[in-house]
Amino acid sequence: LAKTTQPISMDSYEGQEVNITCSHNNIATNDYITWYQQFPSQGPRFIIQGYKTKVTNEVASLFIPADRKSSTLSLPRVSLSDTAVYYCLVVPLGDQAGTALIFGKGTTLSVSS
Amino acid sequence: DTAVSQTPKYLVTQMGNDKSIKCEQNLGHDTMYWYKQDSKKFLKIMFSYNNKELIINETVPNRFSPKSPDKAHLNLHINSLELGDSAVYFCASSHVTGTGGYTFGSGTRLTVV
Repeated sequence: LAKTTQPISMDSYEGQEVNITCSHNNIATNDYITWYQQFPSQGPRFIIQGYKTKVTNEVASLFIPADRKSSTLSLPRVSLSDTAVYYCLVVPLGDQAGTALIFGKGTTLSVSS
Repeated sequence: DTAVSQTPKYLVTQMGNDKSIKCEQNLGHDTMYWYKQDSKKFLKIMFSYNNKELIINETVPNRFSPKSPDKAHLNLHINSLELGDSAVYFCASSHVTGTGGYTFGSGTRLTVV
């Protein structure tokens, strides 16, 4: 599975937009970019997944350039409750029975008032 | 309805004991996993099961034995517990294709004293 690189930590204030960039230079053709969020004492939660261009859901947007070697998770108008660790992963989709997610250190986002 | 449920949530036990953690998912997923998150917060895959068949068995001591009685359940039995086994154990499930992400349970915090 492709290795990803993302900042260890980020700080923000309530109401700001937060962009977390992830590098995945060795991404394969059948890999999708996936982001998870983990609050303390909880399991990771799937946020968003994309292959190319832009994906938006009720939680976040994911921007993926044409070369797919990086991606940016955008959290609009963060609140204190968005304080969490955010993981960027590349995952092959398709008939990949039992493919395990390989988590890195993630980005610890701290939101202050 | 809890999608992936683990029991117990907390487990404190003495060295040398044998303990089990149970996991059940009601999402209709065909693949289930066990992950370990250590004190440094790294999430590591331990096992993966697809349709009750073991797919992934990472370098885990053979004191750890997963058991999948059916597609909806994946239990983890640990023999002769050691201090180093103290961690948070997460169960997760997904479709075999990975579409829609992986759903994690809320974790079982195991403390070996």
